[in-house]
Amino acid sequence: DAGITQSPRYKITETGRQVTLMCHQTWSHSYMFWYRQDLGHGLRLIYYSAAADITDKGEVPDGYVVSRSKTENFPLTLESATRSQTSVYFCASSVGEKLFFGSGTQLSVL
Amino acid sequence: KQEVTQIPAALSVPEGENLVLNCSFTDSAIYNLQWFRQDPGKGLTSLLLIQSSQREQTSGRLNASLDKSSGRSTLYIAASQPGDSATYLCAAPNAGGTSYGKLTFGQGTILTVHP
Repeated sequence: DAGITQSPRYKITETGRQVTLMCHQTWSHSYMFWYRQDLGHGLRLIYYSAAADITDKGEVPDGYVVSRSKTENFPLTLESATRSQTSVYFCASSVGEKLFFGSGTQLSVL
Repeated sequence: KQEVTQIPAALSVPEGENLVLNCSFTDSAIYNLQWFRQDPGKGLTSLLLIQSSQREQTSGRLNASLDKSSGRSTLYIAASQPGDSATYLCAAPNAGGTSYGKLTFGQGTILTVHP
């Protein structure tokens, strides 16, 4: 199906490990985003990308790395996972001002 | 910095009621505002995108209004149904103007419509 696909759906990892969350879109939208959703904080922007090879920080970028070598893929890497990074991560793309979200990755860091 | 607040945090109503969800934002220099729906364990779905020039947008039983001068938006749901049960979030551009997806979200209103 067309849209945004995130993988894995669930992930459990340990403190200090590197983790990569995948995001793939089939629309060829220029803009892509990573948000995290936490109780008490709502959704917060981690990183975004305006096009292939163009990325920029959002509100809470520390501890995360992104890349975008192809328009359709926007992986998010936690270089050394911490318990505070336990969250639900959403990838999104936009056309104009309208956002389209993936189903999310629930990440637990033990 | 944009801040978005939603009231009430939760709402439980019987089927058939008309209801209003409220959203306020601090930076009124925005060109638009969006309302989203989130079902448990799912991603967000965009419901309505209101341009500041429009002031109001309708989709089926949903109507959203935007008043930049007062920093407020409302989502009106007519004749509520159990299938409307979900969390509703509003979101405004981070730094005023347009956002191209860089949004500040409210905490959401959890709506339960019981038969």
